[in-house]
Amino acid sequence: SQQGEEDPQALSIQEGENATMNCSYKTSINNLQWYRQNSGRGLVHLILIRSNEREKHSGRLRVTLDTSKKSSSLLITASRAADTASYFCATGRTGANSKLTFGKGITLSVRP
Amino acid sequence: DAGVIQSPRHEVTEMGQEVTLRCKPISGHNSLFWYRQTMMRGLELLIYFNNNVPIDDSGMPEDRFSAKMPNASFSTLKIQPSEPRDSAVYFCASSPLAGFNTGELFFGEGSRLTVL
Repeated sequence: SQQGEEDPQALSIQEGENATMNCSYKTSINNLQWYRQNSGRGLVHLILIRSNEREKHSGRLRVTLDTSKKSSSLLITASRAADTASYFCATGRTGANSKLTFGKGITLSVRP
Repeated sequence: DAGVIQSPRHEVTEMGQEVTLRCKPISGHNSLFWYRQTMMRGLELLIYFNNNVPIDDSGMPEDRFSAKMPNASFSTLKIQPSEPRDSAVYFCASSPLAGFNTGELFFGEGSRLTVL
């Protein structure tokens, strides 16, 4: 399966610390995306990085992509209690009729 | 914009009953996706539409599941008859780009289905 796999499955940190989450995948992709899901809510798109990009920033978020290792990382700097959520990576394969495939997610808890 | 609107938010039904979940995508979006989320299997793509046409329904688990998109502003996912293993949260998502099925998705809040 080309499904992304996140690591770790759960992460607990103190407010103010940085949170790093990783995603690995198996097949060629045209982009990789990160989404956040608060408890009982829908997924919210955070950031998209294309296969020809290596790093992207959005506010306190930094995403890197290493296509040679088929891996990505999401860094949240200066975490806040409101960052507590599940985070998913989603990979978009190359080719016709490709679909966005989600990993099982990382549960991030930020302690105040 | 109100975002993707799903109804009902919660549905509890008995095994064998018909369930219909509804979705209104964001106006102007040309692609619509139905996903199912469970603890065991994560987020699974069931079916997606481009310009109201079903493109790939390979994720639909069984013939008991069907989806329609009669116009650009409305889609339904129907389960008939429902079974306890169908219990999950069903998400609808839309995307502005038809033919580019791996772009950013805008999700609704989901419909939590419990089949007793």
